[in-house]
Amino acid sequence: ETGVTQSPTHLIKTRGQQVTLRCSSQSGHNTVSWYQQALGQGPQFIFQYYREEENGRGNFPPRFSGLQFPNYSSELNVNALELDDSALYLCASSLGRGLSSYEQYFGPGTRLTVT
Amino acid sequence: QQQVKQSPQSLIVQKGGISIINCAYENTAFDYFPWYQQFPGKGPALLIAIRPDVSEKKEGRFTISFNKSAKQFSLHIMDSQPGDSATYFCAASVSGNTPLVFGKGTRLSVIA
Repeated sequence: ETGVTQSPTHLIKTRGQQVTLRCSSQSGHNTVSWYQQALGQGPQFIFQYYREEENGRGNFPPRFSGLQFPNYSSELNVNALELDDSALYLCASSLGRGLSSYEQYFGPGTRLTVT
Repeated sequence: QQQVKQSPQSLIVQKGGISIINCAYENTAFDYFPWYQQFPGKGPALLIAIRPDVSEKKEGRFTISFNKSAKQFSLHIMDSQPGDSATYFCAASVSGNTPLVFGKGTRLSVIA
């Protein structure tokens, strides 16, 4: 069974640029959630995709957008980067149905630095 | 408004001792309470989780105690080891496949 993978591991961008982060869900999982973790804080929910449809969104501006593909992998896009976007971006996958849908498994994250 | 409050912020425990981390929640609709362990540079790893229909769940050295009336739950790590040194997060969600709301984390250091 393959775990959740994310790419790239680290990324440095300049304020105003755009970035795309990628996530491959755990084998058999059809739901992907994205979280932002600022230094010294707990993860904050950005949005979730279930079977290629957005299934909930946290308190993040529209310049944060996403996609889920037919193989359930996902992308997080951030436009017009701001300094405060510097954080660890985490992807979590889960099953969409049943008791096991509660369990979310996280990838290693992408460390984004905006200068 | 912080929906899950976690304490303490940091904790130092002697090897072999018991580590206790506490969380309190406000939303009575929460029905799933996981704990995650995170090492530096890594993503959070699911450690143990509980549903409100039980008051305690034990897996190896890790135990969750849950008090529904007080809206509190806690993680106990028995026989703490230096390898347990990490940041621990409590979390909660309303139902399956919904966002997790995390506490701010507890940095645990187990010293020999």
